[in-house]
Amino acid sequence: RKEVEQDPGPFNVPEGATVAFNCTYSNSASQSFFWYRQDCRKEPKLLMSVYSSGNEDGRFTAQLNRASQYISLLIRDSKLSDSATYLCVVRDNTGGFKTIFGAGTRLFVKA
Amino acid sequence: GAVVSQHPSRVICKSGTSVKIECRSLDFQATTMFWYRQFPKQSLMLMATSNEGSKATYEQGVEKDKFLINHASLTLSTLTVTSAHPEDSSFYICSAREFINQPQHFGDGTRLSIL
Repeated sequence: RKEVEQDPGPFNVPEGATVAFNCTYSNSASQSFFWYRQDCRKEPKLLMSVYSSGNEDGRFTAQLNRASQYISLLIRDSKLSDSATYLCVVRDNTGGFKTIFGAGTRLFVKA
Repeated sequence: GAVVSQHPSRVICKSGTSVKIECRSLDFQATTMFWYRQFPKQSLMLMATSNEGSKATYEQGVEKDKFLINHASLTLSTLTVTSAHPEDSSFYICSAREFINQPQHFGDGTRLSIL
């Protein structure tokens, strides 16, 4: 089983749609969680951290369920510019603070 | 804030050449830097982790004599791909972290093509 698993997609949605991405992780000791986005042929960029109580940044909402070892990202009112690959990132805050990147979920938003 | 610069962004060279890639943290001191490789349509693969002033820690399967990493200062790490061959062609990305409990920030990446 992979340490961080994501549905690879692609998700094809129209502009204005709401889309949700899921991610599961295997290490129950993981303490920090992030979502990054990566545009085609570009470097990953931090989108948002994920907090236990859930957090929102504009159209983006991240949720964490520690019991189920599950993280989600919800994008409301999708824009064409949201088209990218979304990477779920999990970090173990012990020892070397090992960071594991998911393989990513591809999103295409179409007009 | 948290800007990481990587140079060069694109390299095309002949087989057997050694290629050096620089990664700089511009507005913070990076105690830890990471080097990744990414093949088309695949996920990031961590190659090595380097802490300033220490030897890099390489992931399993990554040859340390092939991929030389130097992290001599808190703002600069270099990756040298020695005697590069076509199979080394890939997208190489560095990232840096200021404090151990903070997220990583990525450089622009270097697209390496070995002919």
